[in-house]
Amino acid sequence: SAVISQKPSRDICQRGTSLTIQCQVDSQVTMMFWYRQQPGQSLTLIATANQGSEATYESGFVIDKFPISRPNLTFSTLTVSNMSPEDSSIYLCSVTPDSSYEQYFGPGTRLTVT
Amino acid sequence: GEDVEQSLFLSVREGDSSVINCTYTDSSSTYLYWYKQEPGAGLQLLTYIFSNMDMKQDQRLTVLLNKKDKHLSLRIADTQTGDSAIYFCTGGGNKLTFGTGTQLKVEL
Repeated sequence: SAVISQKPSRDICQRGTSLTIQCQVDSQVTMMFWYRQQPGQSLTLIATANQGSEATYESGFVIDKFPISRPNLTFSTLTVSNMSPEDSSIYLCSVTPDSSYEQYFGPGTRLTVT
Repeated sequence: GEDVEQSLFLSVREGDSSVINCTYTDSSSTYLYWYKQEPGAGLQLLTYIFSNMDMKQDQRLTVLLNKKDKHLSLRIADTQTGDSAIYFCTGGGNKLTFGTGTQLKVEL
């Protein structure tokens, strides 16, 4: 298994600003993912952030809006840039431990944009 | 890509069994998963089933997979109030595609 922590756990931000969310894993993993869960909705994959390569974004998500860093095998950041109220969501990171088919999620970062 | 459908709500009495159903479209998923999300919390991996299996049992949880009909179900025996949550079925390899989730309400 994997234990994942995220910072901050929640934040209230003003429109037009940016927020960087951190994701820390207790073990080295190659595959890491960022998801968004809009209020009352299911989860949508934003991007895959594998260490050693550029993040791969899903349709509807772009690097300028959601830049991602993956400096090592235990850490990643997701930035939500130039925020608008529509960005109010829970942002979750997840990992698949190497040699495993299980995907584990962090506790999420609850973002409110005013 | 994968499409996953679930019913939105399920209400059961404490002590009864709950059955949460899910249909999916992508038959190439190697594993299919069930996650639980309690209010204000992240997702907890409950169980998963390999696509070449028909059934998997884990304590109070039983997963049934009908690959021909692309139907997955999660049965919770002796449902407790602590089981009240949203349950997501998902599959699709590493890039998981989530259904809408089923909100399970357990009544006394």
